[in-house]
Amino acid sequence: SQTIHQWPATLVQPVGSPLSLECTVEGTSNPNLYWYRQAAGRGLQLLFYSVGIGQISSEVPQNLSASRPQDRQFILSSKKLLLSDSGFYLCAWSGPGQVFQPQHFGDGTRLSIL
Amino acid sequence: GIQVEQSPPDLILQEGANSTLRCNFSDSVNNLQWFHQNPWGQLINLFYIPSGTKQNGRLSATTVATERYSLLYISSSQTTDSGVYFCAAGASTGGFKTIFGAGTRLFVKA
Repeated sequence: SQTIHQWPATLVQPVGSPLSLECTVEGTSNPNLYWYRQAAGRGLQLLFYSVGIGQISSEVPQNLSASRPQDRQFILSSKKLLLSDSGFYLCAWSGPGQVFQPQHFGDGTRLSIL
Repeated sequence: GIQVEQSPPDLILQEGANSTLRCNFSDSVNNLQWFHQNPWGQLINLFYIPSGTKQNGRLSATTVATERYSLLYISSSQTTDSGVYFCAAGASTGGFKTIFGAGTRLFVKA
């Protein structure tokens, strides 16, 4: 069966520091991968999605970036964090291909910027 | 782009009661999903239902794509049903962008 792992579960970072959040998927090949952010008490905002290695689509202009160095690895990064980057970051995967399929989420990373 | 609206925003139920959550979307969709986010933040995919009706235990969902809405039914609610229910929609014309509604926050009292 497929599983998705995200780490770390919680992170406290000072303003201006770099960020690297990692997400890996097991049990499937060539998944579509997604990064979402959820502000406290609100819905999810799609940040990035990827349909293959090195293919990244950005949905929201920000100081975050994403990379997909391997088929089942998705990384969210920042060179300098802002206070507004605080939130709950969720990685998700869906089956491969150019059609919609159900999305499955990791347990998320709670990021606090001080 | 697609807009997704959910109602009601908040709902309090007595254990054992039934409820219906609604999701309206502004355009034709190829993708409609219902999720449950538990109090610990975990998001669980309940249904992938771009059209038609599906049932899973005490939960069922119906999407009427031509009328641009979807309904999630919860029967005989339990305290473990508490959390936030999200509807998410997408259209192939928008790439793989999936738009989430603001959610319905459900609290089931014992």
